[in-house]
Amino acid sequence: EAEVAQSPRYKITEKSQAVAFWCDPISGHATLYWYRQILGQGPELLVQFQDESVVDDSQLPKDRFSAERLKGVDSTLKIQPAELGDSAMYLCASSLELAGSLNEQFFGPGTRLTVL
Amino acid sequence: SQQGEEDPQALSIQEGENATMNCSYKTSINNLQWYRQNSGRGLVHLILIRSNEREKHSGRLRVTLDTSKKSSSLLITASRAADTASYFCATVLSGTYKYIFGTGTRLKVLA
Repeated sequence: EAEVAQSPRYKITEKSQAVAFWCDPISGHATLYWYRQILGQGPELLVQFQDESVVDDSQLPKDRFSAERLKGVDSTLKIQPAELGDSAMYLCASSLELAGSLNEQFFGPGTRLTVL
Repeated sequence: SQQGEEDPQALSIQEGENATMNCSYKTSINNLQWYRQNSGRGLVHLILIRSNEREKHSGRLRVTLDTSKKSSSLLITASRAADTASYFCATVLSGTYKYIFGTGTRLKVLA
């Protein structure tokens, strides 16, 4: 069964350092999502791509976060500099089409980030 | 911000009992989906219900949608210990491509 791959699974960093997360969606999925999930809460959408284009990044803190999907396949989410409040689970998901269509999202296992 | 709120926040039941959790949202939606999250498998899609549907079944799951009340419910029948997880509703706002997840219900099924 095809899965969304993410790496690393765990990341510990000190504040003010840079961190990067990688996601490889299910082959053929045009839409890719990055979410942040704080413990005890639901996932919050950070950025959404359709192929290589950003569809929504309204909740992405653009002063420190950046995301790219250069060839419309895999994607990287970067934080620079990391702050204590960035400690969370970062989830990547993909779907065949945009959210307005009747399709489900497939989630990866996530990257647990701890900022010290 | 999160537009969906699940109720209750936490639920503990005995194996074999039914579990019902509710989701309320604030604005018009295109569709509503339920997801399950446990530590072993991450977030998994359970069921999707369109805005023009009122009820949908999938195995032991039954979902209802009342757009006039802006609410949905998820019923899990004959629960099993393996159903222990957090359950989230996710809505797609009308006219947008954005999923918004609720706050989640933590279900614990006791063997």
